Amino acid sequence: QSALTQPASVSGSPGQSITISCTGTSSDVGGYNYVSWYQQHPGKAPKLIISDVRNRPSGVSNRFSGSKSGNTASLTISGLQAEDEADYYCSSYTSGSTPCVFGPGTKVTVL
Amino acid sequence: EVQLVESGGGLVQPGRSLRLSCAASGFSFDDYAMHWVRQAPGKGLEWVSGISWSSGSIAYADSVKGRFTISRDNAKNFLYLHMSSLRPEDTALYHCTKDIKHSSSYAFHHWGQGTLVTVSS
Repeated sequence: QSALTQPASVSGSPGQSITISCTGTSSDVGGYNYVSWYQQHPGKAPKLIISDVRNRPSGVSNRFSGSKSGNTASLTISGLQAEDEADYYCSSYTSGSTPCVFGPGTKVTVL
Repeated sequence: EVQLVESGGGLVQPGRSLRLSCAASGFSFDDYAMHWVRQAPGKGLEWVSGISWSSGSIAYADSVKGRFTISRDNAKNFLYLHMSSLRPEDTALYHCTKDIKHSSSYAFHHWGQGTLVTVSS
């Protein structure tokens, strides 16, 4: 069982914006700015799309944005495109005995 | 271009050992922390272990602590994961990943395609 909570699925129509939440505690998401987001297409390795809550690595579309409020981090995908259909995972540094945890993943469907 | 190529996976009996290797190229290997992240078939991602650029800082997930050992050879640009006392629940695709920073920030910027470890009798 993941220490972080994500919705199992989120869907939207092309062009719309969607937001995926990642809820933890003050020991992980709320206590540190080490939240990352990954996109994974079927059969492919994950791709880092957001680091340190809101930083986009070079080459990542600016349609992806990250934020955090309290113990919940969020990933927003604006101008939804067919190619955005994938699984999305959040992760966070934690002060627990396992220093990094992932959320269970959210399947994004483009209608 | 950053390349991470894992090897060493395979079918192994419970209780046995296996060593995974990751050949890194396309970047200054000794400038970055490195990690192993695994994904069981049809399941989510699980961080396994990480090592700083100098090997001065090493960490493990509780699920593998005491059984797995991470190491690196900066002269050869290789990352390793020695796995012992393997259990069926260790069955997964093991990815070698490059941190975005020197020390572990737990942001996995580049990923290898993975090597599959299957633990079964």
